[in-house]
Amino acid sequence: AQSVTQLGSHVSVSEGALVLLRCNYSSSVPPYLFWYVQYPNQGLQLLLKYTSAATLVKGINGFEAEFKKSETSFHLTKPSAHMSDAAEYFCAVSANTGNQFYFGTGTSLTVIP
Amino acid sequence: GAGVSQSPRYKVAKRGQDVALRCDPISGHVSLFWYQQALGQGPEFLTYFQNEAQLDKSGLPSDRFFAERPEGSVSTLKIQRTQQEDSAVYLCASSLTSRGKVLDTQYFGPGTRLTVL
Repeated sequence: AQSVTQLGSHVSVSEGALVLLRCNYSSSVPPYLFWYVQYPNQGLQLLLKYTSAATLVKGINGFEAEFKKSETSFHLTKPSAHMSDAAEYFCAVSANTGNQFYFGTGTSLTVIP
Repeated sequence: GAGVSQSPRYKVAKRGQDVALRCDPISGHVSLFWYQQALGQGPEFLTYFQNEAQLDKSGLPSDRFFAERPEGSVSTLKIQRTQQEDSAVYLCASSLTSRGKVLDTQYFGPGTRLTVL
């Protein structure tokens, strides 16, 4: 079985500051991990995914995430927040043998000017 | 645009009514997924199609929920005798390949917000 836990349902950062959104996973098999972003009234958009290749994954809009097996984590970071980054972010896990995502409860990011 | 579209975007139903939610996937996409997203929660898997075949419906919460994709493109999620707990956003996603594996990027529609009074 797979699951993810996102620590912090709301995160606020100042414009230009580091963004860190936390995700810890649980999986009985080697996981595939994903970060999605959801802007208001829009569908989820894939930011990046980990598929057992490089542990540091770079995504769109300057985001990246690092897979740490020892910590069962896949935290999302961005060096410098931009106002346009304000959105809901979801971490998701799946097994390569399946076709289901298991999503976390989401983290709402607010960027303060 | 060429993205996934869903209609209606908003639906208000009285308890006990039947509703039908439509999903138009990206043209040529073989796999189609339905998710339910309750307020303040992440999306939860409902069902999965590969072309017209419904290969996984393990996430459907009750036999009041029914999904179909008769010609392998447009899909409809039907909810019979709606209950208040059915209130949620229903998301549709499609992906290109026939494998249906999660490595294939899923493209999500904007969702249908269902409110049951």
